[in-house]
Amino acid sequence: DIVLTQAPLSLSVTPGQPASISCKSSQSLLHSDGKTYLYWYLQKPGQSPQLLIYEVSNRFSEVPDRFSGSGSGTDFTLKISRVEADDVGIYYCMQSLQLPSWTFGQGTKVEIK
Amino acid sequence: EVQLVQSGAEVKEPGATVKISCKVSGYTFTDYYIYWVQLAPGKGLEWMGVVDPKDGETQYAERFQGRVIITADTSTDTAYMELSSLRSEDTAIYYCAGGLDPWGQGTLVTVSS
Repeated sequence: DIVLTQAPLSLSVTPGQPASISCKSSQSLLHSDGKTYLYWYLQKPGQSPQLLIYEVSNRFSEVPDRFSGSGSGTDFTLKISRVEADDVGIYYCMQSLQLPSWTFGQGTKVEIK
Repeated sequence: EVQLVQSGAEVKEPGATVKISCKVSGYTFTDYYIYWVQLAPGKGLEWMGVVDPKDGETQYAERFQGRVIITADTSTDTAYMELSSLRSEDTAIYYCAGGLDPWGQGTLVTVSS
C-alpha cells in the first residue's frame, strides 16, 4: 500500500509570509499514462475538504494563485506565497495512483500567528 | 450548481448499522465515481470506498472491508454508505464526494450506548 508522509504536521505562520508543506510518497505516483496522481486538499474549520491542486501542480477552479504545487515521482510540495487569515485549516495531500482508491497524508494544521 | 447533500446526523448503539445517503444534483450522476471518506475525532481523512454509479461496481478499503456496503441508485441520483457492526471508534463525520470535488456537507455518526 502507498503511504503518504506529510511534514510538518503543524505550522504557525505570520500573515503575508510564505508557507510550505511537504508530502513524500512510499512509491512513485507517476502512472503509465504519464500523469502523476497527487492532489492537495484544504479542510477549513467546520467545512468539508476542498480541492486546491490536482495532478501535482494544477490549481482547481477559483483557487487563488498564491497556492502552488510542485514535485515529481515521490516528493511533492504545496506552497502558499503569502499566507492570509482565510488559509487556516488542515491541508492534506492525497494520491490516487491505483484508481479508484485514495490514500491521504496525515494532514498539516496551519494556523495564523 | 453541483451539490452533494447528505442525510442528517445519526446516533447508534454499538453493534448497530447506519446507512447514510448522498443526493447528487447539478451533473449527470453516472459521470463520476462517488467516494466515501471518514474523519474521526483527532484523526485525518481516511478513504472508505467508492462506487461507479454507471454499473454499481465498488471497491473498499481493507480496513472497512466486510463492514461497509456502498451503493448507487440511478433512479434518484443518490448514493448510500452502510456501515455495520458499529463500535465506538466509528464515531466520526462521514463525507461523500462526487469525483475529486465537491464533497457533501458531512454526516456525523455517534456510536454510544
